[in-house]
Amino acid sequence: AQTVTQSQPEMSVQEAETVTLSCTYDTSENNYYLFWYKQPPSRQMILVIRQEAYKQQNATENRFSVNFQKAAKSFSLKISDSQLGDTAMYFCAFMKRSSGGGSNYKLTFGKGTLLTVNP
Amino acid sequence: EAGVTQFPSHSVIEKGQTVTLRCDPISGHDNLYWYRRVMGKEIKFLLHFVKESKQDESGMPNNRFLAERTGGTYSTLKVQPAELEDSGVYFCASSQVLGLAGISYNEQFFGPGTRLTVL
Repeated sequence: AQTVTQSQPEMSVQEAETVTLSCTYDTSENNYYLFWYKQPPSRQMILVIRQEAYKQQNATENRFSVNFQKAAKSFSLKISDSQLGDTAMYFCAFMKRSSGGGSNYKLTFGKGTLLTVNP
Repeated sequence: EAGVTQFPSHSVIEKGQTVTLRCDPISGHDNLYWYRRVMGKEIKFLLHFVKESKQDESGMPNNRFLAERTGGTYSTLKVQPAELEDSGVYFCASSQVLGLAGISYNEQFFGPGTRLTVL
């Protein structure tokens, strides 16, 4: 079974600064995906960024980037130039990479980190 | 295109009563998932439908929970009888299989959740 750990229940950052959210995971799988999801207050959870474990290059999406350390089983999220709209709960999640039909695509989540961006 | 919708957004019931949650996935999405987040804990997988068939129901807590997806469109999750520990936010997500044949990744799109409070 997989586990995902987010050790920072809450964090805050000043607008325009950079913040890094931590995530570690435990798995015996070699092929998998890692995700960061964002849930703004009273809104739906949306995908921020995705990383395939077989890719060494860290994923980047505009101001969001990850630091993926496969050997250390670490997957941190860096938010550059933080904006007020980045205030949200951030969830780190794991999914086994499956092949063939009848695969199970369930996500395993961490407890989340509540990020507040202050003006 | 409409996203995943869930009804109701909030439900407050007495212990022992029955509640039915509904999820309407994105049109054309064969995969439908239910997850639950109990206060302060991780979001946990409950079950996964592929069309109308239950692919994986390993996360269902007990037989007081019944999920259905008749016709492969919307899904319902019934809790009968509800207990105090059932309180939490119930998320639904849907996805369509993407990617090359035999290698699958599917982005899950989440609904806003139903907040269930059992008194």
